[in-house]
Amino acid sequence: AQSVTQLGSHVSVSEGALVLLRCNYSSSVPPYLFWYVQYPNQGLQLLLKYTTGATLVKGINGFEAEFKKSETSFHLTKPSAHMSDAAEYFCAVSDLNDMRFGAGTRLTVKP
Amino acid sequence: EAGVTQFPSHSVIEKGQTVTLRCDPISGHDNLYWYRRVMGKEIKFLLHFVKESKQDESGMPNNRFLAERTGGTYSTLKVQPAELEDSGVYFCASSQLQGLTEAFFGQGTRLTVV
Repeated sequence: AQSVTQLGSHVSVSEGALVLLRCNYSSSVPPYLFWYVQYPNQGLQLLLKYTTGATLVKGINGFEAEFKKSETSFHLTKPSAHMSDAAEYFCAVSDLNDMRFGAGTRLTVKP
Repeated sequence: EAGVTQFPSHSVIEKGQTVTLRCDPISGHDNLYWYRRVMGKEIKFLLHFVKESKQDESGMPNNRFLAERTGGTYSTLKVQPAELEDSGVYFCASSQLQGLTEAFFGQGTRLTVV
């Protein structure tokens, strides 16, 4: 069975500061890992995904995440937060047949 | 190209009433998934269609929920009768290939049962 844990339901950073959203997963098979973002009144948008290959994955809007098998982690980072990054972020793990999501982390960006 | 579209965007109904949610996947996507997020909790899988067939409906909470995908195009999710705990956001996703490496999500339907 797969599961995802997102540490911190709310994260607040100042504009220009580092964004770090934590995600740990468990999976009995090599996982496919995803980060989705949901802006207010919009659907889930794929930020980035890891399937195979390079463990550092770059996504849209300057976000990236690193797959660390030894730590079973897939943390999302962005060097400098923008006001427009305020949204809810979801980490997900898939074995191709089933996708499991974390509870989400709401990111607030302070001016 | 149009994305995944869900109707309505919001629905408020009374306990005991019936509500039908609709999802139009991306054209040509055989795989269609329904998910639900209840009040700040994780997004949970409900079921998966491949064309018109239910591939996996292990996440359906109970027999008050009925999903259909006649003709393998759009899908409906009916809740009858609705209960208070059914409130949440219902997401639909579609993918061209079997498997969830490239799933596109709709904007969701926010259902409130009062």
